[in-house]
Amino acid sequence: DAGVIQSPRHEVTEMGQEVTLRCKPISGHDYLFWYRQTMMRGLELLIYFNNNVPIDDSGMPEDRFSAKMPNASFSTLKIQPSEPRDSAVYFCASSFARLDYEQYFGPGTRLTVT
Amino acid sequence: GNSVTQMEGPVTLSEEAFLTINCTYTATGYPSLFWYVQYPGEGLQLLLKATKADDKGSNKGFEATYRKETTSFHLEKGSVQVSDSAVYFCALRQGAQKLVFGQGTRLTINP
Repeated sequence: DAGVIQSPRHEVTEMGQEVTLRCKPISGHDYLFWYRQTMMRGLELLIYFNNNVPIDDSGMPEDRFSAKMPNASFSTLKIQPSEPRDSAVYFCASSFARLDYEQYFGPGTRLTVT
Repeated sequence: GNSVTQMEGPVTLSEEAFLTINCTYTATGYPSLFWYVQYPGEGLQLLLKATKADDKGSNKGFEATYRKETTSFHLEKGSVQVSDSAVYFCALRQGAQKLVFGQGTRLTINP
């Protein structure tokens, strides 16, 4: 299995621009998570889905952030408009209820907003 | 709410030294506890876990015991290698799917 795939691996954009991060979970997994990692705040859960339905988005920082999961094999996290404080590494993870919900993480997308 | 506190890093050791990274947690009830490892440029990988009190998780020479009385889950390894250099995260999960992570401890092993 290829594991969780994220793209792009690095993104540099200017303040005010729209940014879209992409994630392909492991085939067959029924949960998908988006995390953000910064030096100041560590690892934070932003949102998670179960069977493509958003379950908890309480970690989404503000309305500029949105996430979708149109099907079981694809999810996006969008920031519009982006701000310098959004600079971070964004991780996607997936899990399967029948495998004790163990979360498998992707390699992350390093976002820099200038 | 639930929280996890790890010893602050960075931690620097010589090869073959004994490693302890402290982790304590605050939670109602009985969470599952985890240690994840993050190698440079990679995502997090599950290192070991324990789901109930007095359970010992172990993997790749690392061990951690779920201590309910001290609300701790300290990570230990008897003889570290250069390849163990990474960032280590303690985490808990209770009920739903949400993992709560500690702040991470950067470990560097010198040859």
